[in-house]
Amino acid sequence: GENVEQHPSTLSVQEGDSAVIKCTYSDSASNYFPWYKQELGKGPQLIIDIRSNVGEKKDQRIAVTLNKTAKHFSLHITETQPEDSAVYFCAAFDYKLSFGAGTTVTVRA
Amino acid sequence: NAGVTQTPKFRVLKTGQSMTLLCAQDMNHEYMYWYRQDPGMGLRLIHYSVGEGTTAKGEVPDGYNVSRLKKQNFLLGLESAAPSQTSVYFCASSPWGSDTQYFGPGTRLTVL
Repeated sequence: GENVEQHPSTLSVQEGDSAVIKCTYSDSASNYFPWYKQELGKGPQLIIDIRSNVGEKKDQRIAVTLNKTAKHFSLHITETQPEDSAVYFCAAFDYKLSFGAGTTVTVRA
Repeated sequence: NAGVTQTPKFRVLKTGQSMTLLCAQDMNHEYMYWYRQDPGMGLRLIHYSVGEGTTAKGEVPDGYNVSRLKKQNFLLGLESAAPSQTSVYFCASSPWGSDTQYFGPGTRLTVL
């Protein structure tokens, strides 16, 4: 089955700096890669996703890149703000979603 | 639209007790899922359903049962709760033909 690894597990950044989270996956059949943001006490919310026929996607301050050959994908958050503090999960979809273990992002004011 | 809702939000059980978690969605989605979330392990799929009256096992199905009698509802049952089932449970749904999942707010379950 699919195995998704996510790094780092915690990330502390100064407000205004960039944050990068990296994930690797094992199953070359995976073709959909969403990123979820989970705030304390809430369910995961989809923030951006990318499909295997696209190398990069951007939505305002958030961007995701995908390298199919190396089987890794990354989330980039620019100009971080305090409201970006949350747990972020990557996932890979073959016939089901397999999640990474999560990254706790703290943005310091 | 309320989206995906879960009942209850919190529950404490004693070992051996049973309970049912209810998930409801008002988006007319075909697919529904139950996950559990444990510290440092992300979300793991327990069971899922691709339509009314159908269910299938996920990654960690042991100790759980599910039913999808109505399209909008997906029930997760614990027949004899164990401390290892202490977790936060999330329900999700997605429309037919889509792999994008929408999550509910979660149920925090503690088994003593």
